[in-house]
Amino acid sequence: DIQMTQSPSSLSASVGDRVTITCQASQDISNYLNWYQQKPGKAPKLLIYDASNLETGVPSRFSGSGSGTDFTFTISSLQPEDIATYYCQQYDNLPVFGGGTKVEIK
Amino acid sequence: QVQLVQSGSELKKPGASVKVSCKASGYTFTSYAMNWVRQAPGQGLEWMGWINTNTGNPTYAQGFTGRFVFSLDTSVSTAYLQISSLKAEDTAVYYCAREGVWGQGTLVTVSS
Repeated sequence: DIQMTQSPSSLSASVGDRVTITCQASQDISNYLNWYQQKPGKAPKLLIYDASNLETGVPSRFSGSGSGTDFTFTISSLQPEDIATYYCQQYDNLPVFGGGTKVEIK
Repeated sequence: QVQLVQSGSELKKPGASVKVSCKASGYTFTSYAMNWVRQAPGQGLEWMGWINTNTGNPTYAQGFTGRFVFSLDTSVSTAYLQISSLKAEDTAVYYCAREGVWGQGTLVTVSS
């Protein structure tokens, strides 16, 4: 089974900061990777699909990159409404989520 | 608009069964597979498996075989998750999800 290692598990940053989250797959998954945002008490929301494609309606400060085994999710300028937990998910094989990254405001 | 609406919260005793429904609207139900995802309290997301909405063929992730059953009623565009022999560790929010769209989640609490 493919394993997804996401880091860090949590981070604290200031409004306006650039935030980066990484996700590493245990084997090549091409670009079959989603990034989700989950706010407390809410369902996850798809932000990025196919590793780097922004879902319709998602602000452009969110971006994704990578292919193969190493992927990066970036918030270019952190906003208060971005406080959430972010998850990567591979779908090259049976889907697997990363462990999540909780983003907080410093 | 495209939406998935799930049934309400459930409180069950250990050993009982529960059936969670997920009603789709705004799209052709059989055009997208339906996934099920579990989130235990304070924990991350676990993909449980998916069901082919054309054939009804389910695929279960490791750890979700035996007590977990996915089913469909295509006449009412609804997918179901049934869990039998409930245990305390089944306490979680269960989500249905198709490509790009998630249900609101159903909290299943197992407690004596």
